[in-house]
Amino acid sequence: DAGITQSPRYKITETGRQVTLMCHQTWSHSYMFWYRQDLGHGLRLIYYSAAADITDKGEVPDGYVVSRSKTENFPLTLESATRSQTSVYFCASSPRRSKGQGKTQYFGPGTRLLVL
Amino acid sequence: AQKITQTQPGMFVQEKEAVTLDCTYDTSDQSYGLFWYKQPSSGEMIFLIYQGSYDEQNATEGRYSLNFQKARKSANLVISASQLGDSAMYFCAMRDTGGFKTIFGAGTRLFVKA
Repeated sequence: DAGITQSPRYKITETGRQVTLMCHQTWSHSYMFWYRQDLGHGLRLIYYSAAADITDKGEVPDGYVVSRSKTENFPLTLESATRSQTSVYFCASSPRRSKGQGKTQYFGPGTRLLVL
Repeated sequence: AQKITQTQPGMFVQEKEAVTLDCTYDTSDQSYGLFWYKQPSSGEMIFLIYQGSYDEQNATEGRYSLNFQKARKSANLVISASQLGDSAMYFCAMRDTGGFKTIFGAGTRLFVKA
């Protein structure tokens, strides 16, 4: 049971380069999310997706692009990386349940991105 | 706008003692969910406990309990009989009523002393 995986786990890039972070889940969860974690800010939502081909902006979407052609994959692309995008990125998923604890999100291990 | 506030950047507790981590929230929704997650030094996010806004009883999961005071808009996490392995960052989070968007507090780092 692989659960939710992210790749790469660590990435160093330069400003201006395009970077894609991958997220894959094996649970067939409908909802998927991308967060960034910065010191003092907790986790902030970048984008989320309710199903394949349905995505929506979160709290901090600028500079990021997402797609979801398949239920199990939710890649996050930094079109032109900036130093302010140095962060730890978490992908998460959640099943389509209407109530209570069913809306718990399950997180991937994270990707540490350094933009030089 | 929704907001989660964790006022304790760091907390110390003696092993085997109980500790309370504070969380207050702000929302105009009547229906919402509150979560606590643990992030150990290894970095992963681990779900601990959930409380629904209409749940009449406080949630409990093993050594974790959530002290939910709706009128005060607080959702404090209580860890009983602290263990060294409880040393970690703890995040309080709230899900909105309309969908699955979740906001997180800044976190509290807990140190358990032997």
